[in-house]
Amino acid sequence: NAGVTQTPKFQVLKTGQSMTLQCAQDMNHNSMYWYRQDPGMGLRLIYYSASEGTTDKGEVPNGYNVSRLNKREFSLRLESAAPSQTSVYFCASSERGGLSSYNSPLHFGNGTRLTVT
Amino acid sequence: AQSVTQLGSHVSVSEGALVLLRCNYSSSVPPYLFWYVQYPNQGLQLLLKYTSAATLVKGINGFEAEFKKSETSFHLTKPSAHMSDAAEYFCAVSPGGATNKLIFGTGTLLAVQP
Repeated sequence: NAGVTQTPKFQVLKTGQSMTLQCAQDMNHNSMYWYRQDPGMGLRLIYYSASEGTTDKGEVPNGYNVSRLNKREFSLRLESAAPSQTSVYFCASSERGGLSSYNSPLHFGNGTRLTVT
Repeated sequence: AQSVTQLGSHVSVSEGALVLLRCNYSSSVPPYLFWYVQYPNQGLQLLLKYTSAATLVKGINGFEAEFKKSETSFHLTKPSAHMSDAAEYFCAVSPGGATNKLIFGTGTLLAVQP
């Protein structure tokens, strides 16, 4: 009953370094999402993938790239980390997007805590 | 554009007291509204959702929320707080359409005092 698995759980980077956050779901969900959570700002959508083979920008995509590797996996890459990217990153999945997506709740991973110095 | 506003970033109640967490929404179309809960060091979990079937929505762990169109509100309540309810609660709105891009509020941290 793994659900949504994120790796790593913690990461410290220096400014300018790159890294990839991994996310995998075992629920056969079609849609996957990356959010960042910052104090006092709630969760903000970085990128999402409505279905395998598609990706789209969310509210705060600058400085990030994503890859929907297959139906299970959706990775988030920081090419040149900046201190402003210090945050907690959450991956989520839902059974479907589309017009009935409101009936398809998001399932979240436990997050990756990233610090950029 | 749709948005949600959560009044009160921190709420403290005594064990056994009423829990009331406030959420107001802004939407030009009938909204789909959600409450999620986040326990320490965990991801978010769905508490309940409003999808226009009924204005009073019951969720898990004894929580419920009432959709009031005239007040553009979707407040979360629980009659009697338990210590295990201590967590952060997020209200969210879905714009619907072709994607499930939830828009979250800034969250309310609930503390339950013994």
